[in-house]
Amino acid sequence: EAQVTQNPRYLITVTGKKLTVTCSQNMNHEYMSWYRQDPGLGLRQIYYSMNVEVTDKGDVPEGYKVSRKEKRNFPLILESPSPNQTSLYFCASSLERNRDKGKLFFGSGTQLSVL
Amino acid sequence: DAKTTQPPSMDCAEGRAANLPCNHSTISGNEYVYWYRQIHSQGPQYIIHGLKNNETNEMASLIITEDRKSSTLILPHATLRDTAVYYCIVRVTSSGGSYIPTFGRGTSLIVHP
Repeated sequence: EAQVTQNPRYLITVTGKKLTVTCSQNMNHEYMSWYRQDPGLGLRQIYYSMNVEVTDKGDVPEGYKVSRKEKRNFPLILESPSPNQTSLYFCASSLERNRDKGKLFFGSGTQLSVL
Repeated sequence: DAKTTQPPSMDCAEGRAANLPCNHSTISGNEYVYWYRQIHSQGPQYIIHGLKNNETNEMASLIITEDRKSSTLILPHATLRDTAVYYCIVRVTSSGGSYIPTFGRGTSLIVHP
């Protein structure tokens, strides 16, 4: 089944403790991205990647890191989480070819709480 | 990217057509209109997209006005499962860069029995 898999689904941590949220897709998509969703603010893009070893900042990249060493994986790293990073996070992917760009497939989300 | 304007909420009776409007008056010639929906806190789900012509798939129909300044997503026979937040987004897809930077607040559609 074609899908984007995020783990974990729920995560509670404390301020300053490094964490990684994993994202993997099995559709051979070139494009991958991370979003966070907060009440009243919609979905905001954190980082995106056009292909392996190519990443770029989205609208709200501060406090986050990403890497794209393999095409299928795009982990989101919080080196020193803070309470303002408590949010619902989504990973998404799509094909690069023109007619499919923008047709994003989303993971089921990771609810992160930073205490 | 062109910005979109959607009503914050709408409701519809089950079995009736749900018509969700979107205004994108600043859309440029190479920008597509995309629609997604998000059920509760699940990941958004792609519904449909179009450039100029009306489009239809198994989920919905998309009607784009001739001047492309607005569009309407039509769910022909709404069910309770269609209760969700619907996002209308415009984005150029012919060049590099991030495809869809930000989803706005969308329209919260409630389908009632």
